[in-house]
Amino acid sequence: EVQLVESGGGLVQPGGSLRLSCAASGFTFSNYAMTWVRQAPGKGLEWVSALSDSGANTYYADSVRGRYTISRDNSKHTLYLQINGLRAEDTAVYYCAKILHSGNYRYFDYWGRGTLVTVSS
Amino acid sequence: QTVVTQEPSVSVSPGGTVTLTCGLSSGSVSTSHNPTWYQQTPGQAPRTLIYNTNTRSSGVPDRFSGSILGNKAALTITGAQADDESDYHCVLYMGRGIWVFGGGTELTVL
Repeated sequence: EVQLVESGGGLVQPGGSLRLSCAASGFTFSNYAMTWVRQAPGKGLEWVSALSDSGANTYYADSVRGRYTISRDNSKHTLYLQINGLRAEDTAVYYCAKILHSGNYRYFDYWGRGTLVTVSS
Repeated sequence: QTVVTQEPSVSVSPGGTVTLTCGLSSGSVSTSHNPTWYQQTPGQAPRTLIYNTNTRSSGVPDRFSGSILGNKAALTITGAQADDESDYHCVLYMGRGIWVFGGGTELTVL
């Protein structure tokens, strides 16, 4: 059974930093690209970042490029999201998801339950 | 900047048919955008309904269907049920590793 478990969220002051983790199990982690998606309170989903299976290629939404860094440790089956210079608008539930890419289609097929990041003084 | 558009809220009567759409602020949605639809209830993670424009995910009832209608992706629910009352999110693949979600549609069944 595929499982994705996020951790690392919490209450952080503006300007602070956090590293989110996503522990994966139930599939061969190193074979799949992964992604982070966030959802601000009462808002829709927002794609944040994605990372290729090897970790060599990273992709970011314009809204977070330069402050967010996505990475992975395939030996630990874990995906990370480093967030620096936190702002109030970064307050959200952060989900990690597995990307299924097959032939000419791709989508986020499994999601974790998310971890809440709250930025407030 | 690419904006993906969805109806903010839609209502349907029990047993009725409703179509939610997913468009682009500039241009048309095509199958190459890999339209994907997710259903989400409050406090829960999204659940995949439709991927690759029109393929139902495992376990999804056949009253849910996906298509391209005109210049938009569409999610149609035929024979809506009370437990279909949820938020529905579409996402498009823009290429080069970039994805964009729509703002989501709140579906009310009443």
